[in-house]
Amino acid sequence: SQKIEQNSEALNIQEGKTATLTCNYTNYSPAYLQWYRQDPGRGPVFLLLIRENEKEKRKERLKVTFDTTLKQSLFHITASQPADSATYLCAPQYNFNKFYFGSGTKLNVKP
Amino acid sequence: NAGVTQTPKFRVLKTGQSMTLLCAQDMNHEYMYWYRQDPGMGLRLIHYSVGEGTTAKGEVPDGYNVSRLKKQNFLLGLESAAPSQTSVYFCASSYSRDRSNTGELFFGEGSRLTVL
Repeated sequence: SQKIEQNSEALNIQEGKTATLTCNYTNYSPAYLQWYRQDPGRGPVFLLLIRENEKEKRKERLKVTFDTTLKQSLFHITASQPADSATYLCAPQYNFNKFYFGSGTKLNVKP
Repeated sequence: NAGVTQTPKFRVLKTGQSMTLLCAQDMNHEYMYWYRQDPGMGLRLIHYSVGEGTTAKGEVPDGYNVSRLKKQNFLLGLESAAPSQTSVYFCASSYSRDRSNTGELFFGEGSRLTVL
């Protein structure tokens, strides 16, 4: 089965800096790749979706890239704020019932 | 518009007991899913449904059963609970035929189950 790798160590950054989170997958490339935010004790919330044929997608302070050659997606938060502190999950999607979720990377933004 | 609602939010069971988790969505979604989330493991798909009356196995279906008698509800059952089923369970839904879709999953807030 597909293996999704996200940095299990927390990422600690200073407010105002850009946070970059990495998602690597094995085997074949997904048709889509989604990113979710999860706060403690809450369910994941959808942030962005990028398609296989898209190199980059932006939404406000968020940017996602998708490199099918490297089998990697990068998730960027620019001008980070303490409110951005959460765990971020990547989810390569192969069809409607095949989402493989990574275990997530915890982001801590310090004031 | 409540989205996806899960009940109960917390439950403690003894080994061998049975229980049912209920998921309800009010977005007229066709697809519904049950995931479990364990530390360091990510979300793993247990069972899913593509419509009323249909269910299918996911990645880790053993020890669980599901039913989707009504479109808005998706039930997850544990017939004989085991300590290995201690986890946080999330229900999700997606895809509506009568509105545009982004492909995203809408999650409930989770049900925390402990099996002693």
